[in-house]
Amino acid sequence: NAGVMQNPRHLVRRRGQEARLRCSPMKGHSHVYWYRQLPEEGLKFMVYLQKENIIDESGMPKERFSAEFPKEGPSILRIQQVVRGDSAAYFCASSPGPRGDGYTFGSGTRLTVV
Amino acid sequence: QQPVQSPQAVILREGEDAVINCSSSKALYSVHWYRQKHGEAPVFLMILLKGGEQKGHEKISASFNEKKQQSSLYLTASQLSYSGTYFCGTERVDYNTDKLIFGTGTRLQVFP
Repeated sequence: NAGVMQNPRHLVRRRGQEARLRCSPMKGHSHVYWYRQLPEEGLKFMVYLQKENIIDESGMPKERFSAEFPKEGPSILRIQQVVRGDSAAYFCASSPGPRGDGYTFGSGTRLTVV
Repeated sequence: QQPVQSPQAVILREGEDAVINCSSSKALYSVHWYRQKHGEAPVFLMILLKGGEQKGHEKISASFNEKKQQSSLYLTASQLSYSGTYFCGTERVDYNTDKLIFGTGTRLQVFP
């Protein structure tokens, strides 16, 4: 039973380019969460999705960031026109839902904007 | 608001004990604990639910004071492998979803 799969592990983008981060949840998990982590800091909530639905995007910046979890395929976190401040580790987690279950985290995508 | 963890950092020798605390200003449905080693993903340790249920590793113990909205993680007879940063994650009652808001983190270092 594979865990949460994130790819790519490392992503380098020039300022102004687009970054696409992918996350496949654990088998049987229908809840997906994205978090951002700066070096030596904590995990900041970005967005919570279920299949074809955004449940809570209160942590997403209003511009340039979007997320989806289509009926088929992985969840995608998309950052348009990246800036240096977007450089961070982006972690995806999944849970079987509803409340009362722990998260399983993916290995993360380290985004570097040059 | 982000839950507050204390202490910020702990240094131990193998075999010593430590307690890490997590405090929220909001009513909680559950508290989760995770450990993250440098450059790696956070790993689930345990969950404490409102009403007293607990799920997690047998060797880890924790408590959840529902009246005070506080949780404590107890690390006994520490091993080198316990080193890492510990995060509590809280599910708030008023959010009505299972998204977690993570605490500020506690860095634990265990030396031989």
